Amino acid sequence: NAGVTQTPKFRILKIGQSMTLQCAQDMNHNYMYWYRQDPGMGLKLIYYSVGAGITDKGEVPNGYNVSRSTTEDFPLRLELAAPSQTSVYFCASSYKEGGPQHFGDGTRLSIL
Amino acid sequence: EDKVVQSPLSLVVHEGDTVTLNCSYEVTNFRSLLWYKQEKKAPTFLFMLTSSGIEKKSGRLSSILDKKELFSILNITATQTGDSAIYLCAVEAIGQGAQKLVFGQGTRLTINP
Repeated sequence: NAGVTQTPKFRILKIGQSMTLQCAQDMNHNYMYWYRQDPGMGLKLIYYSVGAGITDKGEVPNGYNVSRSTTEDFPLRLELAAPSQTSVYFCASSYKEGGPQHFGDGTRLSIL
Repeated sequence: EDKVVQSPLSLVVHEGDTVTLNCSYEVTNFRSLLWYKQEKKAPTFLFMLTSSGIEKKSGRLSSILDKKELFSILNITATQTGDSAIYLCAVEAIGQGAQKLVFGQGTRLTINP
């Protein structure tokens, strides 16, 4: 029962570096989402996808990019890391619009 | 702009107490309200409340939705230390093309033995 798998679990980046956060789900869900959670705050939607080849911006997309070449994978890319991107990143998936989302365990990212 | 506000932000009680967590919302074209429990890692789904299901119960946890007054409560009776977590409320609007949830800040619940 893997569900939603995120890698890595932790990462420290220097300002200006780039990296890709990986997310994979094995539940054959069409919908996938990326959120960030800052201390003491709720989750904010970065990007989402309703199926392979289709992505769209959420509430806070600046500084990030996504792609969805397969149903299973939804990677999130940071091109030029900035301290404001220090956060915990969660990937989630759902079977359909109106169904509960299932979350991965998160990636804790620090930009120094 | 869609908005979800939870209260209190933090709550400390003794084991065995009953707690009530609040969630108020403003959203255009409301579809559903969801409660999640977040311990150390991933938020885990508790309840989904919609127009057709405004009251849910699972063991010691229960939740109601008041669509007229635009709020929901999450009730936990006979609390246990394992109930210590952040409880997140989220609202979904219709017609977004995906389940774009708007989350509240969360309530950090601490149960002392």
